[in-house]
Amino acid sequence: GAGVSQSPSNKVTEKGKDVELRCDPISGHTALYWYRQSLGQGLEFLIYFQGNSAPDKSGLPSDRFSAERTGGSVSTLTIQRTQQEDSAVYLCASSLERGAGTQYFGPGTRLLVL
Amino acid sequence: AQSVTQPDIHITVSEGASLELRCNYSYGATPYLFWYVQSPGQGLQLLLKYFSGDTLVQGIKGFEAEFKRSQSSFNLRKPSVHWSDAAEYFCAVGEGSWGKFQFGAGTQVVVTP
Repeated sequence: GAGVSQSPSNKVTEKGKDVELRCDPISGHTALYWYRQSLGQGLEFLIYFQGNSAPDKSGLPSDRFSAERTGGSVSTLTIQRTQQEDSAVYLCASSLERGAGTQYFGPGTRLLVL
Repeated sequence: AQSVTQPDIHITVSEGASLELRCNYSYGATPYLFWYVQSPGQGLQLLLKYFSGDTLVQGIKGFEAEFKRSQSSFNLRKPSVHWSDAAEYFCAVGEGSWGKFQFGAGTQVVVTP
C-alpha cells in the first residue's frame, strides 16, 4: 500500500513568510510524528499525535511552530514568520501501534528560508 | 528523560570488511530500541528493532544488533559491507507507553573499494 507522503518536497521561502507543510500518513495509523533534520544533525522531535489525545508539543522550538491533525489523518505543520535557522528537512512519520511502535517515514520536505 | 548517544560521527570501511556502529542509551526502564538507515536522497528505513526477548536481533540487509542491558548499548553489526551500505545510520530509543522517540545524532558510513 501507499507509504507516508509529504508535500511539497521542496519549499523555498523568504524570511518572515509563513509556510505550511503537509503529511499524509499511512491509512489506519493512529500515531503521527513530526521531526526536523538540520544539515549534519540528527532528528529533532517536534510534535506527536496519538489518536484523539492531546498532542505532545514538547519539541516545538518556538511559538512560531504549530501543527494540527484533522480527522485523525492528514497533518499540517505551520511555521509562521520563518527565519533562516528554520531551514531544514522536515520529516513526518506514522505508526500503527500505540506507544513506541515502528515508525514509517515520509520522504521529507526540504525547506530553505532565504 | 531518555537519551541516545552515537559516539562515532563518521566511519570509513572497506567493502567486504565488517562494520560495527555503536549506540548507547540512557533510560530507566527497558527501552524500545531501533536502528534506521537513511540513504542519500532517501527517507529513513527501519533496519531492525528490539522490544523484548532474544537480545540478538536480525534485521534487513544482513544487519544484526545486540542489546546489552549491562552496558546500556545496542550496537549494530554487519559481517561484510557492500558499497550500497554507504548511508547514515540512526539509533533510536522509544518509551513504550508514550511513543516519543529520541534519535541519536547519526553515524555516516563511507564504503571504500
